[in-house]
Amino acid sequence: AQRVTQPEKLLSVFKGAPVELKCNYSYSGSPELFWYVQYSRQRLQLLLRHISRESIKGFTADLNKGETSFHLKKPFAQEEDSAMYYCALSDLSGNTPLVFGKGTRLSVIA
Amino acid sequence: SQTIHQWPATLVQPVGSPLSLECTVEGTSNPNLYWYRQAAGRGLQLLFYSVGIGQISSEVPQNLSASRPQDRQFILSSKKLLLSDSGFYLCAWSDPRASGANVLTFGAGSRLTVL
Repeated sequence: AQRVTQPEKLLSVFKGAPVELKCNYSYSGSPELFWYVQYSRQRLQLLLRHISRESIKGFTADLNKGETSFHLKKPFAQEEDSAMYYCALSDLSGNTPLVFGKGTRLSVIA
Repeated sequence: SQTIHQWPATLVQPVGSPLSLECTVEGTSNPNLYWYRQAAGRGLQLLFYSVGIGQISSEVPQNLSASRPQDRQFILSSKKLLLSDSGFYLCAWSDPRASGANVLTFGAGSRLTVL
């Protein structure tokens, strides 16, 4: 069974400080990992996926299969990064639906 | 371009009444369709998903059902609502043929309050 764990419900950081949102997963197959974000009054949307290896809005995430983690990082937080962040897991085959974590609310303090 | 519509946006219903939430996708064909429920502290819970007309997979046994009467239409229903059905319901779609088969695009959501 697929499982995604986001240990922090709320994370508060000061503007300009580094951010790390933790995500751990459990899956016996070939995982594909995602981060989705929901800004205030906006739709839930894709932020990044591990196979793209991109940096989006300054955020990066590296899949660590040894530690079964996919932590989201940004070196310098900005106020506009305040949002709800969800880590999600599926199979690389695309044949299984996404399973989401419980989410972490990031609050960036000016 | 593809768009996803979900309605109604908000709904207040008495316990025991029926429910129908509708979701439609435009600009694509044969999408995978999904219903999730979003609750504070509980994250996004997958309720149903569909890979084709009439094909529904249920992830969580409960008071709800889903149907896909047309290729781009996905309906969430209940015959008799319970208080515990209150929540924020999200419809989503993905393109199973693309490299982004796992990339979901979400609707704006429907907030259901059962009194």
